[in-house]
Amino acid sequence: AQTVTQSQPEMSVQEAETVTLSCTYDTSESDYYLFWYKQPPSRQMILVIRQEAYKQQNATENRFSVNFQKAAKSFSLKISDSQLGDAAMYFCAYRSASNDYKLSFGAGTTVTVRA
Amino acid sequence: ETGVTQSPTHLIKTRGQQVTLRCSSQSGHNTVSWYQQALGQGPQFIFQYYREEENGRGNFPPRFSGLQFPNYSSELNVNALELDDSALYLCASSSPGTGSYEQYFGPGTRLTVT
Repeated sequence: AQTVTQSQPEMSVQEAETVTLSCTYDTSESDYYLFWYKQPPSRQMILVIRQEAYKQQNATENRFSVNFQKAAKSFSLKISDSQLGDAAMYFCAYRSASNDYKLSFGAGTTVTVRA
Repeated sequence: ETGVTQSPTHLIKTRGQQVTLRCSSQSGHNTVSWYQQALGQGPQFIFQYYREEENGRGNFPPRFSGLQFPNYSSELNVNALELDDSALYLCASSSPGTGSYEQYFGPGTRLTVT
């Protein structure tokens, strides 16, 4: 079974600064997908960024980028130029590339943005 | 394009009762997955439905059951409710096999069991 670990329950960042969220995962598979989801308070979960394990290049979406280290099974999220609207719970998730379409989530990191 | 919708938004039930939660998938999506999210935790996979058949199940007891209809909407049924069933229930739709593997989440149903 795949397990996803987020070791930082909470992170705080000053507006316009950068914050990095950590995620590690355990799998015996070589082909899989990794995701970061954002869940604002009382609002629905939205996809922030995704990474295919077969791609060496790190994914980037505007102010969000990842550092994917396949050998270390590490998948961190960097939020640059933090904005007040970035405040939310962030979840790291894993999905096998086989017929198993379920997402396995970490416990989440709460990000607070200070004005 | 219509997003994923869920009903009801909130629900309060008594221990031992039964509950039905509903989900309408995003247009064009034939797969619905259900997740349970306890307060302050990450979502846990309950099961997935693909073309009206259960296509995978997480570590949940049989009193958690589901249905998918020809229009790909879905229901989650929970019998003999327990206090620990209090959680946010999320459904997510997707369309595997088309090259798209992203799951789109609904706003969730907050279930409180007293």
